[in-house]
Amino acid sequence: GAVVSQHPSWVICKSGTSVKIECRSLDFQATTMFWYRQFPKQSLMLMATSNEGSKATYEQGVEKDKFLINHASLTLSTLTVTSAHPEDSSFYICSANARTNQPQHFGDGTRLSIL
Amino acid sequence: EDKVVQSPLSLVVHEGDTVTLNCSYEVTNFRSLLWYKQEKKAPTFLFMLTSSGIEKKSGRLSSILDKKELFSILNITATQTGDSAIYLCAVGTSSGGYQKVTFGTGTKLQVIP
Repeated sequence: GAVVSQHPSWVICKSGTSVKIECRSLDFQATTMFWYRQFPKQSLMLMATSNEGSKATYEQGVEKDKFLINHASLTLSTLTVTSAHPEDSSFYICSANARTNQPQHFGDGTRLSIL
Repeated sequence: EDKVVQSPLSLVVHEGDTVTLNCSYEVTNFRSLLWYKQEKKAPTFLFMLTSSGIEKKSGRLSSILDKKELFSILNITATQTGDSAIYLCAVGTSSGGYQKVTFGTGTKLQVIP
């Protein structure tokens, strides 16, 4: 149980393109979904927390207009990197949990490369 | 600011060795401490600890939490090459209904034959 699916796995696109990443909880309803970014050889950095039906809570230093998060249902959250630039290239990972204080379960991540 | 510090940063051992990974933390509104294993993709969940002194065990892996001294250890006995990975410690906090997890930088474990 507790499977989280993330799509796509890898994206390569030109600078200026907007990229949408989907995160789905397959066998449970996720009250909260989390979006992380991980640079090479570094740990996960929380970008934002989203609850179904409400606005995401962004961590300090994360641009809300750059990283649009939508949590439209209890099983789907999306992260859109708008007008992506090479410095946005990174590994983006989502996670979800069914209830507060339960372990987060992670998707397989999306490797984003902006040329 | 919440902090989670792991040590060592990197470790190389031979198959069959026992290793202990450390995690210390300074956070506000502690709820839980979690251990994850990260290989090539995203982290996979190992343990969640909420109470001091109660060991959690899964096969050759075990973990324990000390809430007084604010640390946890992850033990791996009889290591195998498949244990090679980055082990992440994370601390969950909660304030005003808002939950957050802060990750440490990880310990990179390499097990050589």
